[in-house]
Amino acid sequence: SQTIHQWPATLVQPVGSPLSLECTVEGTSNPNLYWYRQAAGRGLQLLFYSVGIGQISSEVPQNLSASRPQDRQFILSSKKLLLSDSGFYLCAWSVLRPTHKSVNTEAFFGQGTRLTVV
Amino acid sequence: GENVEQHPSTLSVQEGDSAVIKCTYSDSASNYFPWYKQELGKRPQLIIDIRSNVGEKKDQRIAVTLNKTAKHFSLHITETQPEDSAVYFCAASKGSYIPTFGRGTSLIVHP
Repeated sequence: SQTIHQWPATLVQPVGSPLSLECTVEGTSNPNLYWYRQAAGRGLQLLFYSVGIGQISSEVPQNLSASRPQDRQFILSSKKLLLSDSGFYLCAWSVLRPTHKSVNTEAFFGQGTRLTVV
Repeated sequence: GENVEQHPSTLSVQEGDSAVIKCTYSDSASNYFPWYKQELGKRPQLIIDIRSNVGEKKDQRIAVTLNKTAKHFSLHITETQPEDSAVYFCAASKGSYIPTFGRGTSLIVHP
């Protein structure tokens, strides 16, 4: 079965420090990978998505970057954190799942990383 | 691109009552509409989904309806229980495209 691992679960970092969050997927190949951010009391904001190794698309201008060095590894980074980077970060994956009449793309989420920038 | 609006942002009901969450979407080509439940501090998880060739789908106390003409879909929870309390997200996508999520509805079920 497929599983997704995301770490760390919680992180407290000072302003100006670097960031690296890692996400790996097992049990599937060539998944679509996503990074979402969820601010307190807010919805899911898509930050980056990737449809293949080295292919990264950014949805919003920001202080963060993403990389996909391997097929099932997705990394979220920052060189210098800002206070506004605090939030709950979720990695997710999806894959085409053809059915008889259509194709569904259910997303599976990692456990999330609660980042607090102080 | 796709735009998904979700209402209400907060819904408070008494145990045993029904709860309805509504979403609209903008892209008529969207063909897959999942609903996710996120309990406090946990990851969102799929609870039910519907494809564009189906008007209604039911799974025990949960049902989802889709009106393609009006481009809206709804989640219905009957006989609500305290453990239904969570944030619910609707989403819309087409084919292999990434899902666009609504802003979420915080459902509170009072015992």
